Amino acid sequence: DGGITQSPKYLFRKEGQNVTLSCEQNLNHDAMYWYRQDPGQGLRLIYYSQIVNDFQKGDIAEGYSVSREKKESFPLTVTSAQKNPTAFYLCASRPTSGVHNEQFFGPGTRLTVL
Amino acid sequence: AQSVTQPDIHITVSEGASLELRCNYSYGATPYLFWYVQSPGQGLQLLLKYFSGDTLVQGIKGFEAEFKRSQSSFNLRKPSVHWSDAAEYFCAVGARAAGNKLTFGGGTRVLVKP
Repeated sequence: DGGITQSPKYLFRKEGQNVTLSCEQNLNHDAMYWYRQDPGQGLRLIYYSQIVNDFQKGDIAEGYSVSREKKESFPLTVTSAQKNPTAFYLCASRPTSGVHNEQFFGPGTRLTVL
Repeated sequence: AQSVTQPDIHITVSEGASLELRCNYSYGATPYLFWYVQSPGQGLQLLLKYFSGDTLVQGIKGFEAEFKRSQSSFNLRKPSVHWSDAAEYFCAVGARAAGNKLTFGGGTRVLVKP
């Protein structure tokens, strides 16, 4: 089945530790996105990538880093510099060809920093 | 900069009654507009989208939305709500420029009374 996989579903870390969230897609999509979701605030864009080996900062990139070494994968690292990392993180992908450019979302990872 | 406002944080509706969720956007040109639905702890699923053409858009699960340029609105409607429609609904506006970044509203949580 084609889709987007995020693992793990729940993640716990101690304060001060870096943590990497996985996002894999087998939809052959060029573009991938990371969002953060907090209660009552909708989704906010952290980073996005339109092509392998290239990515851009979104609206709230501070304290986060990404890489895009493969088309299928777009991991997000939450660093110790992120002041309030506890949140629900959503990965999405989108085909860049054609006009139907909605984003498809993964199931999300809930990160709790203790 | 683009923005989206969903004025209603919570809406409670009786099963079988009609539902309308409001969405107002701010964007300098003709936008791409989307409605997504999210069940608790899950990713987002696309309900419908507007790119151009007919301003009344039909989506999945019996939902429809109407694009009104003069009012900068894209309200979501369903004639008869089912208990399974209880979820959080997000309106989003997409940039037609490179990257197709989505800006989301804060969401409306829908509760369905039996």
